[in-house]
Amino acid sequence: DARVTQTPRHKVTEMGQEVTMRCQPILGHNTVFWYRQTMMQGLELLAYFRNRAPLDDSGMPKDRFSAEMPDATLATLKIQPSEPRDSAVYFCASGFEGSNQPQHFGDGTRLSIL
Amino acid sequence: AQTVTQSQPEMSVQEAETVTLSCTYDTSENNYYLFWYKQPPSRQMILVIRQEAYKQQNATENRFSVNFQKAAKSFSLKISDSQLGDTAMYFCAFMKHWYSGNTPLVFGKGTRLSVIA
Repeated sequence: DARVTQTPRHKVTEMGQEVTMRCQPILGHNTVFWYRQTMMQGLELLAYFRNRAPLDDSGMPKDRFSAEMPDATLATLKIQPSEPRDSAVYFCASGFEGSNQPQHFGDGTRLSIL
Repeated sequence: AQTVTQSQPEMSVQEAETVTLSCTYDTSENNYYLFWYKQPPSRQMILVIRQEAYKQQNATENRFSVNFQKAAKSFSLKISDSQLGDTAMYFCAFMKHWYSGNTPLVFGKGTRLSVIA
């Protein structure tokens, strides 16, 4: 079965460090989403891309977060500098524009900022 | 903007019994999709069932079925013959119709379901 692959699965780091999370979408999918899950806010959209171009990143704190798609097989989400309030599970999902199928989710990255 | 509301933060059910999880939503769209996702402790997001708004018939998948009331903007999930493996967080989610592009999901806050032996 095709899968969305996220790395790392877990990340623990100290406040102020740079964090990079990676996502490999399903081959052929042209839309990539980043979601964040916290106890307080639940699942919320951070950003999404279509054909590698950002369509909406309004959910992302611009001063410290950045999302890119260097190529069609890789999406990255970076936090610099990281803060304890960034501790959460970050999900990547991919889908195909024009499809009536729902997005496929990766297994998420659990991030802990000490 | 769309919103999704799940009014039951936690529920429990005896094994083999039936339970219904509630979800309401707000949208000005006429065509859209609704989903129920299951998130076990492994934190995977597993699609349980989906409903297309333009279809009158309620979706079913084995022990899972929905009661979709478009006018009331209600989308509840019924789990029959509950099993211990059904213990998880359940999220209701909304997506605009695909002709808007494969668009982001809008999630409810979730309902934590515990199935008790």
